[in-house]
Amino acid sequence: DHQMTQSPSSLSASVGDRVTITCRASQSINSYLNWYQQKPGKAPKLLIYAASSLQSGVPSRFSGSGSGTDFTLTISSLQPEDFATYYCQQSYSTPSSFGQGTKLEIK
Amino acid sequence: QVQLQESGPGLVKPSETLSLTCTVSGGSISSYYWSWIRQPPGKGLEWIGYMHYSGRNNYNPSLKSRVTISIDTSKNQVSLRLNSVTAADTAVYYCARDAFSSGGWFDPWGQGTLVTVSS
Repeated sequence: DHQMTQSPSSLSASVGDRVTITCRASQSINSYLNWYQQKPGKAPKLLIYAASSLQSGVPSRFSGSGSGTDFTLTISSLQPEDFATYYCQQSYSTPSSFGQGTKLEIK
Repeated sequence: QVQLQESGPGLVKPSETLSLTCTVSGGSISSYYWSWIRQPPGKGLEWIGYMHYSGRNNYNPSLKSRVTISIDTSKNQVSLRLNSVTAADTAVYYCARDAFSSGGWFDPWGQGTLVTVSS
């Protein structure tokens, strides 16, 4: 099984900041890496698929990069609605697995 | 626009069977894979398994002995059964369309339904 590790687990930032979240896979997953945003009491929402493709309707301030074992999600200029928990997910092999999440909080 | 809605009992007794249904609207259930994913309160996400209308399925080995996912194309529904539940199965259960043949991301998701295992 592929283990996914996100860092940091939590992050405090201010509106307008540039933020980067990292996800590391225990083995190579090529570009089979997806990112989700989850707000309290809501279902996760797909932001980025295949490591760097922006899901339709997602603001362009979100971007993803990486391949192999190391991936990043970057928010170029934080907006108030971006404060949430972010998860990465590998879809290279079953069982599909998620990172433990990164909680992004307002500083 | 495809929408998913989970339904089922919110309370299940230990050792009994959890049964949930996901109704898909705005699109056909055929030609896609459909996954169930769960999230214990305050914790992360766990993939349970997927089903394709052709009958192809795959389950998380951690749950494989207890889980069954099925599809009813006539009702556009995907169902989850998890037997012999314990308190550790208390979670919000989500259904999601699984882009398995494209790359394996989940989109869209249902709103989720909380299932509590308690006597």
